[in-house]
Amino acid sequence: EPEVTQTPSHQVTQMGQEVILRCVPISNHLYFYWYRQILGQKVEFLVSFYNNEISEKSEIFDDQFSVERPDGSNFTLKIRSTKLEDSAMYFCASSDGLAGGETQYFGPGTRLLVL
Amino acid sequence: GDSVTQMEGPVTLSEEAFLTINCTYTATGYPSLFWYVQYPGEGLQLLLKATKADDKGSNKGFEATYRKETTSFHLEKGSVQVSDSAVYFCALRKKSGNTGKLIFGQGTTLQVKP
Repeated sequence: EPEVTQTPSHQVTQMGQEVILRCVPISNHLYFYWYRQILGQKVEFLVSFYNNEISEKSEIFDDQFSVERPDGSNFTLKIRSTKLEDSAMYFCASSDGLAGGETQYFGPGTRLLVL
Repeated sequence: GDSVTQMEGPVTLSEEAFLTINCTYTATGYPSLFWYVQYPGEGLQLLLKATKADDKGSNKGFEATYRKETTSFHLEKGSVQVSDSAVYFCALRKKSGNTGKLIFGQGTTLQVKP
């Protein structure tokens, strides 16, 4: 069964450093998402991406965050200058539609720790 | 705004016990509703879904019925197994003005003991 993959699985970084989290969505999917989960809290929506542009972003997704689909397979989340509060599990997801019932397939996540 | 509320965990059950995890939602219109499961060390996997009122989603012995009148989507299983130990997330997705965003509850940890 096709799956969403994410790299790295874990990343430790110093506050103020840039990080790039990588995702390979399912190959025929058109809609891409990033979510995050701070330890012990809800899974929160960050951003959705379609047709090479952001379709919606949350309040969390400020100017420090950016997303890109640099080629036909990868989907990246960049945090320009990490803060302690960016420590979380970051999930990538993809789907092939929006009509309502389409499944979003999630990757295994990247655990980011900012020191 | 739109939100999902789940019962607090952890839920600890013995094998073969009956499981209910409560989920209620607040949303304008009639969203689609989902249950996702996260096994240790893995990502979120869709367990079941329902897209309109009175629909029943089912998978792997789990069931949930979309109840518009009580704005609920409770997850049930008649006889849990140790392998069902995981974190369960209820979620909704709007159908109109939709970018596909899922809104999640806080997750409920289920631990099943032999």
